[in-house]
Amino acid sequence: GNSVTQMEGPVTLSEEAFLTINCTYTATGYPSLFWYVQYPGEGLQLLLKATKADDKGSNKGFEATYRKETTSFHLEKGSVQVSDSAVYFCALRNQGGKLIFGQGTELSVKP
Amino acid sequence: DAMVIQNPRYQVTQFGKPVTLSCSQTLNHNVMYWYQQKSSQAPKLLFHYYDKDFNNEADTPDNFQSRRPNTSFCFLDIRSPGLGDAAMYLCATSRDLGRTYEQYFGPGTRLTVT
Repeated sequence: GNSVTQMEGPVTLSEEAFLTINCTYTATGYPSLFWYVQYPGEGLQLLLKATKADDKGSNKGFEATYRKETTSFHLEKGSVQVSDSAVYFCALRNQGGKLIFGQGTELSVKP
Repeated sequence: DAMVIQNPRYQVTQFGKPVTLSCSQTLNHNVMYWYQQKSSQAPKLLFHYYDKDFNNEADTPDNFQSRRPNTSFCFLDIRSPGLGDAAMYLCATSRDLGRTYEQYFGPGTRLTVT
């Protein structure tokens, strides 16, 4: 079956630190991969996506590369800000449309 | 600019009293989804509409129903809310069902059951 596993949170960093949130997946076929961000009390916002192997998605300083050989889609940012504090969800989508989420990783950035 | 709108943002209902949550979209997308999200968990898909075609998830309780009267609007009806139904309810849309299409989420409705 299809599944997504993320590193457990909470992740606590100081402002300007380097961020990595690990995400690995199991899927049949060739899924698309997504990172969504959820700020407190809000819905999910698409952060970035990649639709095929070796694609790199990037947005607002975040990036992630679709690695088929390691079935991974790790989220990185070179210098985090307090405003990046949120919950981050990795997800995959196969043909047929269902979005499969990881359990979410809470990020807290301290000034 | 709002693309997926949910009303109300906060809803309080009494145990057993029917409640309806509303979602509308300005994207003209074919697919509309309803998710339930409990604290510190990933969203859980309840059902979706592809145009007028309703698709229920196997583990969605009968207590949850949905209506889509037109392309723009979709409603979530909870017939007899229990305390365990208190959650954030998220509406999402997608242009189509293919794997490359992202889902756009609304801001959610926080449901409290007293």
